Amino acid sequence: NAGVTQTPKFQVLKTGQSMTLQCAQDMNHNSMYWYRQDPGMGLRLIYYSASEGTTDKGEVPNGYNVSRLNKREFSLRLESAAPSQTSVYFCASTKDRQGYNEQFFGPGTRLTVL
Amino acid sequence: GQSLEQPSEVTAVEGAIVQINCTYQTSGFYGLSWYQQHDGGAPTFLSYNALDGLEETGRFSSFLSRSDSYGYLLLQELQMKDSASYFCAVTLRMDSSYKLIFGSGTRLLVRP
Repeated sequence: NAGVTQTPKFQVLKTGQSMTLQCAQDMNHNSMYWYRQDPGMGLRLIYYSASEGTTDKGEVPNGYNVSRLNKREFSLRLESAAPSQTSVYFCASTKDRQGYNEQFFGPGTRLTVL
Repeated sequence: GQSLEQPSEVTAVEGAIVQINCTYQTSGFYGLSWYQQHDGGAPTFLSYNALDGLEETGRFSSFLSRSDSYGYLLLQELQMKDSASYFCAVTLRMDSSYKLIFGSGTRLLVRP
């Protein structure tokens, strides 16, 4: 099992460009999440998906869109990148067993917006 | 709003014991988790407390007091490889799913 995979690992964009970050999990998990982590900070939730076909906003959704393509895949799109979106982006998934929530994280995408 | 407080840095000696505290103010609290993150790496799950009391997993233990909105992570027999950032995270129940709100993290430096 690969767990949670993310592509690309690194990306440099110019202001105004768009891109999609890909995430896939092979653990048959129901819920998937996108976080951003700025230097020296904790993780902030951008969007999450409790199940295939549903998505909800997290703490910092502005400037992002998501698609839960199927149970395995959850993508994050930046329509018009801004320097404030320079960050490390982590995708995570969890099975959501009742009363327990261990999240499994992907390796991250390091994004720089110039 | 939701808020979590934890110390920004802690330093300890190899072989010692260190405690990292976390206080929180949230609505919809379901449980408290701890994650470890090495520099350049992804967070990895350490422990989860839904009920008051102590949970032990090898050298690591985690404690929760729901009435005090307080928890801590206890690391025993510290090793150099324990140098990392440690995040507490509150689990919130959202309809049929859960989401995590993370603290800003505590950077632990273990010295020889």
